[in-house]
Amino acid sequence: GDSVIQMQGQVTLSENDFLFINCTYSTTGYPTLFWYVQYSGEGPQLLLQVTTANNKGSSRGFEATYDKGTTSFHLQKTSVQEIDSAVYYCAMRNNYAQGLTFGLGTRVSVFP
Amino acid sequence: NAGVIQTPRHKVTGKGQEATLWCEPISGHSAVFWYRQTIVQGLEFLTYFRNQAPIDDSGMPKERFSAQMPNQSHSTLKIQSTQPQDSAVYLCASSLEGLGGATGQLYFGEGSKLTVL
Repeated sequence: GDSVIQMQGQVTLSENDFLFINCTYSTTGYPTLFWYVQYSGEGPQLLLQVTTANNKGSSRGFEATYDKGTTSFHLQKTSVQEIDSAVYYCAMRNNYAQGLTFGLGTRVSVFP
Repeated sequence: NAGVIQTPRHKVTGKGQEATLWCEPISGHSAVFWYRQTIVQGLEFLTYFRNQAPIDDSGMPKERFSAQMPNQSHSTLKIQSTQPQDSAVYLCASSLEGLGGATGQLYFGEGSKLTVL
């Protein structure tokens, strides 16, 4: 079945540090890949969506890259701020499926 | 434009009691999803409705859990004879239906935190 592996459970950074979170996926279909962000006390919300392999998506200073060759996609931000502290989930939708398969999430803590 | 509304935000039940959680999707969204969120398992898919019809309940525990969508403006998740391991945040999400039936962006509610003592 479909799976998404997100290895980093927690990342601790200082402001202006570089953030990099990686995910790998497994599917028999043609996936669309997502990054969702969840702030404390809220539900997850879409941060980025990347539909086409080897394309990039960007939003709010974050950039996502999807590498079909290595079946991986990662999220990065050059200079994080304290307000970026949240849990970040990678997710995949197989074009034959209806829902999203999520990774376990990475808790990012940014300190001033 | 209101987002997905979930009630109650917090519910505490005793072991063996029933818990019912409500979700009001965004008006006009035809797809409704339920997910369970725990620290250990992350976001687990439970079930999915499209135009009120159940489409996929492959993530629902076979016993004690049931979900309904009696009309387009609300869905319920019912857990009978709750157990401590049912303690989790239950998230509802809705989405517009895209081409070929594929769903677009999921809009999540704030979740209902269930604690079973």
